[in-house]
Amino acid sequence: DVKVTQSSRYLVKRTGEKVFLECVQDMDHENMFWYRQDPGLGLRLIYFSYDVKMKEKGDIPEGYSVSREKKERFSLILESASTNQTSMYLCASTLGTEAFFGQGTRLTVV
Amino acid sequence: QKEVEQDPGPLSVPEGAIVSLNCTYSNSAFQYFMWYRQYSRKGPELLMYTYSSGNKEDGRFTAQVDKSSKYISLFIRDSQPSDSATYLCAMSAPGGSYIPTFGRGTSLIVHP
Repeated sequence: DVKVTQSSRYLVKRTGEKVFLECVQDMDHENMFWYRQDPGLGLRLIYFSYDVKMKEKGDIPEGYSVSREKKERFSLILESASTNQTSMYLCASTLGTEAFFGQGTRLTVV
Repeated sequence: QKEVEQDPGPLSVPEGAIVSLNCTYSNSAFQYFMWYRQYSRKGPELLMYTYSSGNKEDGRFTAQVDKSSKYISLFIRDSQPSDSATYLCAMSAPGGSYIPTFGRGTSLIVHP
């Protein structure tokens, strides 16, 4: 089975902190994605990567950056956390059209 | 207008009912249509996948795609309390990285 693992299930951070969310997949997928999920807004794409060191902005990249130094690992970085970044963050990797998701990280910024 | 529209619900039905979940879309380039199920505090998981128009059946679940109307459906027969979850439709176009576009999800509650 494909496994996508996010490093934390729950995080609480302070405003202004730099936050790292880590995601690892074990199936050698080329494409990896970061979404945030908010009630009433659904899944919104933040960034995606189609290869090592390659990244593309999604629909809501402001306030975020990403890093992909190795194929299996895709990191989401909140440069200076703000309260409006409180959300559920979901990482996914894709094989063709099928997306495999991690369990999600619920981030609260206080 | 969002590319993919989905009623967020909640949709509450009694056990054993037939459930119909729907999405409409505006991008005629979409060729791949997926349904994901997301239980509370979990990540979404793929439930059904359909290419282009037509029907696909898997046990109690049937996915339908009507490209002429830009309308897709997921039917659940003999619904069970364990089907209570959020159902997200997703679509993608060929080429590029097949980036899926998701609907907002419909919350389904099946009560005993």
